[in-house]
Amino acid sequence: QSALTQPASVSGSPGQSITISCSGSGSDVGNYDLVSWYQQHPGKAPKLMICEVTKRPSGVSNRFSGSKSGNTASLTISGLQAEDEANYYCSSYAGDNNVVFGGGTKLTVL
Amino acid sequence: QLQLVESGGGVVQPGGSLTLSCAASGFTFSRYAMHWVRQAPGKGLDWVAFIRYDGGSKYYADSVKGRFTISRDNSQNTLYLQMNSLRTDDTAVYYCTKAGSGWDFDNWGQGTLVTVSS
Repeated sequence: QSALTQPASVSGSPGQSITISCSGSGSDVGNYDLVSWYQQHPGKAPKLMICEVTKRPSGVSNRFSGSKSGNTASLTISGLQAEDEANYYCSSYAGDNNVVFGGGTKLTVL
Repeated sequence: QLQLVESGGGVVQPGGSLTLSCAASGFTFSRYAMHWVRQAPGKGLDWVAFIRYDGGSKYYADSVKGRFTISRDNSQNTLYLQMNSLRTDDTAVYYCTKAGSGWDFDNWGQGTLVTVSS
């Protein structure tokens, strides 16, 4: 069982916006602004999309945005495109030099 | 262009040992902390270990503590993961990752598959 809870799947039509939640606790998501999001296409390595809750690394589309409220972080993808179909994982620093991941969310673009 | 290339994966029996390597290029390896992250077949991501830029600090997930050792050779731009007392639940693709600014993983290798099976 993963330390962070994500929905197993979400879906949306091209052009729409979707949000993926990542629920943790006061020991991880709620206590540190160190939540990251990763995109993984089948058979490929993960790619960092969001770090430190809201920061977008260079080269990542501004259609991707992150936020946090309490013990829950969220990834929003606006203007959905077919290429966004992938698995998405959140992670958070959990103190004591430890990192925890969510179980992953499969995004389907209808 | 930044590259991380893992090697050393393979099939090993339970209780056996294996050493993974990660060759880094395209950035100043000695200035950055590094991590190993793994992914069991069809499963999610799982953080394994961290090493500071100079090797001075090392941290491990509880599941591998005492069995795995992370190390680096900055003169060879190479990261290692020595894995002992391997168990079937260690079966996974192991990724070498460059540490970002805040306990994130900003660049990943292509991964190397470790299968622990009799």
